[in-house]
Amino acid sequence: AQTVTQSQPEMSVQEAETVTLSCTYDTSESDYYLFWYKQPPSRQMILVIRQEAYKQQNATENRFSVNFQKAAKSFSLKISDSQLGDAAMYFCAYCRGNQFYFGTGTSLTVIP
Amino acid sequence: DARVTQTPRHKVTEMGQEVTMRCQPILGHNTVFWYRQTMMQGLELLAYFRNRAPLDDSGMPKDRFSAEMPDATLATLKIQPSEPRDSAVYFCASGLQANYGYTFGSGTRLTVV
Repeated sequence: AQTVTQSQPEMSVQEAETVTLSCTYDTSESDYYLFWYKQPPSRQMILVIRQEAYKQQNATENRFSVNFQKAAKSFSLKISDSQLGDAAMYFCAYCRGNQFYFGTGTSLTVIP
Repeated sequence: DARVTQTPRHKVTEMGQEVTMRCQPILGHNTVFWYRQTMMQGLELLAYFRNRAPLDDSGMPKDRFSAEMPDATLATLKIQPSEPRDSAVYFCASGLQANYGYTFGSGTRLTVV
């Protein structure tokens, strides 16, 4: 079974600084997708960034970027120039077929 | 922006009562998921549909939970009878293809007392 591990239950970052959230996953497949979702206190799950496993280039969306290491099965999220609105739970997700497998989340606090 | 709409947003009910949660997926999305989120278990897949047909409901307790899509604009998740351990946030998500990710609703927070 696919598993997704987020080893950092909580992280904090100073406003305007950079923070990296870790995620590892277990799979025997070669073709899959990886995602980071953000869940602010409003509860809404918001898609932050996605990565296709067959692409070597790391995905980037404005201040959000990933470090995808396929051989190591690692998929970390880097948030640059952190803003107060980035405070939320962040979930890493693995997807193959139509099945999503989520990690347990990392709670990010942004310190003004 | 297109949204997945879930109702109700909050529901408090007594043990043994029937609970129905509703989801309106984004128009044109052919895949609909139901997830349950708890502190202990995180996000668990309960069921999903493609083109209104149930493809996987193995994550759902069959004796009390049921999920249906009576039409393309409505998905329902029903619990009968409800139990305190069902207290959780229930999310609906919809999409077209996994590689684009799925759009989640705001969830229904269910409390069974």
